[in-house]
Amino acid sequence: EAGVTQFPSHSVIEKGQTVTLRCDPISGHDNLYWYRRVMGKEIKFLLHFVKESKQDESGMPNNRFLAERTGGTYSTLKVQPAELEDSGVYFCASSQTQGHEQYFGPGTRLTVT
Amino acid sequence: GQNIDQPTEMTATEGAIVQINCTYQTSGFNGLFWYQQHAGEAPTFLSYNVLDGLEEKGRFSSFLSRSKGYSYLLLKELQMKDSASYLCAVLPSGGYNKLIFGAGTRLAVHP
Repeated sequence: EAGVTQFPSHSVIEKGQTVTLRCDPISGHDNLYWYRRVMGKEIKFLLHFVKESKQDESGMPNNRFLAERTGGTYSTLKVQPAELEDSGVYFCASSQTQGHEQYFGPGTRLTVT
Repeated sequence: GQNIDQPTEMTATEGAIVQINCTYQTSGFNGLFWYQQHAGEAPTFLSYNVLDGLEEKGRFSSFLSRSKGYSYLLLKELQMKDSASYLCAVLPSGGYNKLIFGAGTRLAVHP
């Protein structure tokens, strides 16, 4: 069984540019989560999808971040326009049911210069 | 507020036993997870505790005391490959499914 995959693994962009991160969850997992780890800090929750619906987006930093999960399969997280403080590692996770272990992807390392 | 504390770094010797502690203060409690993360890789699930007591799984065990807001991860017969970061994460109550993470404990196992 394939795990959670994320693309790209690394992205370096300039301040003001746009970047789109992609996450493919484990097949059959209705729950999809986005998390972020900025340098030296803990991993922090961004949002949670159940199928194509946003269940909880309380962790989204501001309206420069837009997450979608059309069709309830893969998800994208777009940052537009990117700022320096958006640099960090963006993790995606999925789970079959709520309250059970979340399986994480390897993350996308975003560097905004 | 939500707060999870764990030591920043620990060192141990190959073959020994190490205990990594985690204390938490969260808005409700629906379970505590331990994850292992090697540098540049995905966090991988190790254990889940929702009731008080010890859960054993091979060389790894995890303990929970809900009244004390305390958990530990016990690693036995340490191997070099156990050098990694260990993340404590709590699932708060309230119908939400977001994990609240500690900053992680970086464990270095030396010969």
